[in-house]
Amino acid sequence: QQQVKQSPQSLIVQKGGISIINCAYENTAFDYFPWYQQFPGKGPALLIAIRPDVSEKKEGRFTISFNKSAKQFSLHIMDSQPGDSATYFCAASTGGYQKVTFGTGTKLQVIP
Amino acid sequence: NAGVTQTPKFQVLKTGQSMTLQCAQDMNHNSMYWYRQDPGMGLRLIYYSASEGTTDKGEVPNGYNVSRLNKREFSLRLESAAPSQTSVYFCASSEPTTPGELFFGEGSRLTVL
Repeated sequence: QQQVKQSPQSLIVQKGGISIINCAYENTAFDYFPWYQQFPGKGPALLIAIRPDVSEKKEGRFTISFNKSAKQFSLHIMDSQPGDSATYFCAASTGGYQKVTFGTGTKLQVIP
Repeated sequence: NAGVTQTPKFQVLKTGQSMTLQCAQDMNHNSMYWYRQDPGMGLRLIYYSASEGTTDKGEVPNGYNVSRLNKREFSLRLESAAPSQTSVYFCASSEPTTPGELFFGEGSRLTVL
């Protein structure tokens, strides 16, 4: 059972464009929604995260939008750059032991 | 400051062989995790250790065992490797004060023939 569903599987965006990755979750006990960025040959690294009590969080060119009623959240990358080319994972976790459940990943390619 | 260190980085096994993946973190984190990453399936939790002395099964524990040797080290053992265990394995650690923020190693790529 995939508790966090992510789309699209891959994405090609032109330099300067907006990249949008969407995720949906089922478990209403989730209370923390991080996004991870992974470059080839490296481990994932935390990019940005949001809690369900806010609808949007922005850090530089990266923005998370959160819709609690729809149980959906998305990552927007403004002014996408070739250096943003990576695989992005949405995730969700609950308190306690902090088990983190990941989406299936989106491979983003930003072309010049 | 190395963060999370995994060894080996690459390993090829024959079906039925055993091996242990080693993981060590130097951030004094309480919690440690083992994930596997497969194309199209994201990262799936194999086992985790909330604190020294405790371990629990994750989403895909079959065929694996773990040992939390001390606060720094968390190893993953494959007793009898199968081709279905061909994957990239990631160790991670975290601290309760930063919920959901995992620090990952660079991964161990395992091929089972």
